[in-house]
Amino acid sequence: NAGVTQTPKFQVLKTGQSMTLQCAQDMNHNSMYWYRQDPGMGLRLIYYSASEGTTDKGEVPNGYNVSRLNKREFSLRLESAAPSQTSVYFCASSEVPGGEQFFGPGTRLTVL
Amino acid sequence: DQQVKQNSPSLSVQEGRISILNCDYTNSMFDYFLWYKKYPAEGPTFLISISSIKDKNEDGRFTVFLNKSAKHLSLHIVPSQPGDSAVYFCAAKSSGTYKYIFGTGTRLKVLA
Repeated sequence: NAGVTQTPKFQVLKTGQSMTLQCAQDMNHNSMYWYRQDPGMGLRLIYYSASEGTTDKGEVPNGYNVSRLNKREFSLRLESAAPSQTSVYFCASSEVPGGEQFFGPGTRLTVL
Repeated sequence: DQQVKQNSPSLSVQEGRISILNCDYTNSMFDYFLWYKKYPAEGPTFLISISSIKDKNEDGRFTVFLNKSAKHLSLHIVPSQPGDSAVYFCAAKSSGTYKYIFGTGTRLKVLA
């Protein structure tokens, strides 16, 4: 039982490049979330998926897109990376929408 | 506009003593609160929660107190252990929403 897994762990991009952050959970949770953590800012919600087939914007969705591929997987895409997107990205899941969330280990992204 | 505030960026406590971490919020609609613990290079781990219908919730060494009139919650750790050294985040949400608002975190150091 791996919980929430994220790939990659680290990534360096150049401005304008695109990439997809992958997240998967094996807890049969219905809801999944993407956060970013910046120094002094806490965790901010980018997008979430309350259940398979639905996605909604969080606090800071600009510059990102998401796909809830199936119940297990929720990916985050940066179409054209910007230095302001340098951050640590966390994926999380919860059994029910708004329930206690279980977090992955994070992806540290640097955009040059 | 920081709706959830953790005004102490850091706290040092002697092993065996009580650690008290504080969290203030401004939105009176918040009715469910969580505390998370985060070690470096790991994702946050859920610790304890409290609903606004309660003023206290206890789980082993961890107790969360909620003062709704003051819009204040606190996490007590008794006795503190060196393994408790981590960053602690509080998070809050209002009913009818799936979105948690996180505080900026307090770094706890428990001295042996």
